[in-house]
Amino acid sequence: QVQLVESGGRSVKPGGSLRLSCAASGFSFSDYSMTWIRQAPGKGLEWLSYISFSGNTIYYADSVKGRFTISRDNAKNSLYLQMNSLRAEDTAVYHCARCSHTTLTDPWDIWGQGTMVTVSS
Amino acid sequence: SYVLTQAPSVSVAPGKTARITCEENNIGSKSVHWYQQKPGQAPVLVIYYDGDRPSGIPERFSGFNSGNTATLTISGVEAGDEAAYYCQVWDTTSAHWVFGGGTKLTVL
Repeated sequence: QVQLVESGGRSVKPGGSLRLSCAASGFSFSDYSMTWIRQAPGKGLEWLSYISFSGNTIYYADSVKGRFTISRDNAKNSLYLQMNSLRAEDTAVYHCARCSHTTLTDPWDIWGQGTMVTVSS
Repeated sequence: SYVLTQAPSVSVAPGKTARITCEENNIGSKSVHWYQQKPGQAPVLVIYYDGDRPSGIPERFSGFNSGNTATLTISGVEAGDEAAYYCQVWDTTSAHWVFGGGTKLTVL
């Protein structure tokens, strides 16, 4: 069964750090590019970061560039998001998603259920 | 920056046709993907590359993209189609993925 499961979300104080993980199963993880997306409570979807299947190509949204770092470990079938200097506006459900093929513009065909991050003093 | 504009809400009676639009200058030159998100669930891809349908998505869902508007059309709307729908494009200028603000489809 093709599946993505996020973990690592919790409540953290402003300025704190957190590392999210996304465990992939049921497919050859190393063949797929991956991405992180978040959704603040009651709001729409916001793309955060993209990493190619090899890890050689990475993009970030302006809102997180310089604070968040995407990475992957193909041997462990895992995707990560290191989040530093967290702000209240980073409060959201964080989803990982699989890019359906190898082209950058390909859609995201598998999504995880998400993990909640709350940034509050 | 690239901004995709969607109407916040659309209402339609069961069995009728719902049209959800995504607007931006010259969006027709880009490839548009559409996602459906029901409350408390992860988004699901319903249309990709303007008008292609993933396996498992009913034929009632279709898409078209031209000029300044991309449209997701749902024919014979059912109660189970009630959800938020988001359009998405890759903006090559900024090297960013961009989502529309989402349209909440209500089935009357």
